[in-house]
Amino acid sequence: SQTIHQWPATLVQPVGSPLSLECTVEGTSNPNLYWYRQAAGRGLQLLFYSVGIGQISSEVPQNLSASRPQDRQFILSSKKLLLSDSGFYLCAWSVPDREAGELFFGEGSRLTVL
Amino acid sequence: AQTVTQSQPEMSVQEAETVTLSCTYDTSESDYYLFWYKQPPSRQMILVIRQEAYKQQNATENRFSVNFQKAAKSFSLKISDSQLGDAAMYFCAYRNFYNNNDMRFGAGTRLTVKP
Repeated sequence: SQTIHQWPATLVQPVGSPLSLECTVEGTSNPNLYWYRQAAGRGLQLLFYSVGIGQISSEVPQNLSASRPQDRQFILSSKKLLLSDSGFYLCAWSVPDREAGELFFGEGSRLTVL
Repeated sequence: AQTVTQSQPEMSVQEAETVTLSCTYDTSESDYYLFWYKQPPSRQMILVIRQEAYKQQNATENRFSVNFQKAAKSFSLKISDSQLGDAAMYFCAYRNFYNNNDMRFGAGTRLTVKP
């Protein structure tokens, strides 16, 4: 069966420090991968998605970047965190070209920037 | 752009009773998918139910069912015989039929189940 893991689960970082959140999927190959940010009362905002190794699409301009160095690995990064980067980040995957394309989510990472 | 609106930030239901969560969406497309996701306090979001817009029959998954009104662009979730484990944030989502990577979420409804 397929599983998705992301870490760390919680992170407290000072403003200006770097960030790296990692997500891996097991039990499938060539998944579509996504990073979402969840803000209270505002639902989920798609940040990045990837349809293959090295292929990254950004949905919103921001202080963050994403990379996909391996087929089932998706990394969310920042060189210098801002206070506004605080939030709950969710990694997700989907089966490419599957009819409904439902998403399968990781456990989430809570980032607090101080 | 498609938007998804959940007008009920919070709802509560008595255990064993029925509750309906509302969702409306805005789209000019005729083919699309709709979803309800559940996010329990443990935080891992899971799919509850999905509906294909081209299907007239409302989707059902055990105690969960939807009322899909395409003309009204409404997609409500009904939970029957509510259980304590149903307490969670519920998100309504819309996905473009032709773009597998364009899923839009509502702001969520927090459901409390009272024993």
